[in-house]
Amino acid sequence: GAGVSQSPSNKVTEKGKDVELRCDPISGHTALYWYRQSLGQGLEFLIYFQGNSAPDKSGLPSDRFSAERTGGSVSTLTIQRTQQEDSAVYLCASSLVSGALSGANVLTFGAGSRLTVL
Amino acid sequence: GQQLNQSPQSMFIQEGEDVSMNCTSSSIFNTWLWYKQDPGEGPVLLIALYKAGELTSNGRLTAQFGITRKDSFLNISASIPSDVGIYFCAGPLRSSGDKLTFGTGTRLAVRP
Repeated sequence: GAGVSQSPSNKVTEKGKDVELRCDPISGHTALYWYRQSLGQGLEFLIYFQGNSAPDKSGLPSDRFSAERTGGSVSTLTIQRTQQEDSAVYLCASSLVSGALSGANVLTFGAGSRLTVL
Repeated sequence: GQQLNQSPQSMFIQEGEDVSMNCTSSSIFNTWLWYKQDPGEGPVLLIALYKAGELTSNGRLTAQFGITRKDSFLNISASIPSDVGIYFCAGPLRSSGDKLTFGTGTRLAVRP
């Protein structure tokens, strides 16, 4: 598609359940990021995929969080045994390239998946 | 920890006024990006800066890449109600493998 697509747009779940959030990046974009944004807060980095390199998972808050990117395209963020503090908007973004090069790092964001854990 | 600090954190301004905000870091950046996030949406790129000292305009927006490469400024002239939102600076942090790091954000509200 023309933009970054995320689904579901809204998810309400009960504490302890697992959730999966999906991101379809722009076709051909090699870099993909997941961020978390709590209400009224900034963007908290979660995980970063760049081409075939090992993902940078340094931002994942606990081992309940995991993400994969299949075939260098679609990515799924999985949260196991959800807790109330996991409630937030989860934003996905992609870019054509990544790094310190001129023209790099121009991320295009999806609209986000709003997760509410009851 | 947070590498990019933005100020002010939030501001109310009168429609028609000019707005200034800045972003500072203890680290050197080779690229500075400014994004705006409307309520319920993902951030959208406003301006990209790639050279120290560079001054770039996009309509009523003007951004500058600080000469020390540790800061950047964004100015909005003649603000209008649709300028409401959160403004983020961002840049690739070399110590983090060049992944994009975002600032803390400046929340702008306009009084009509």
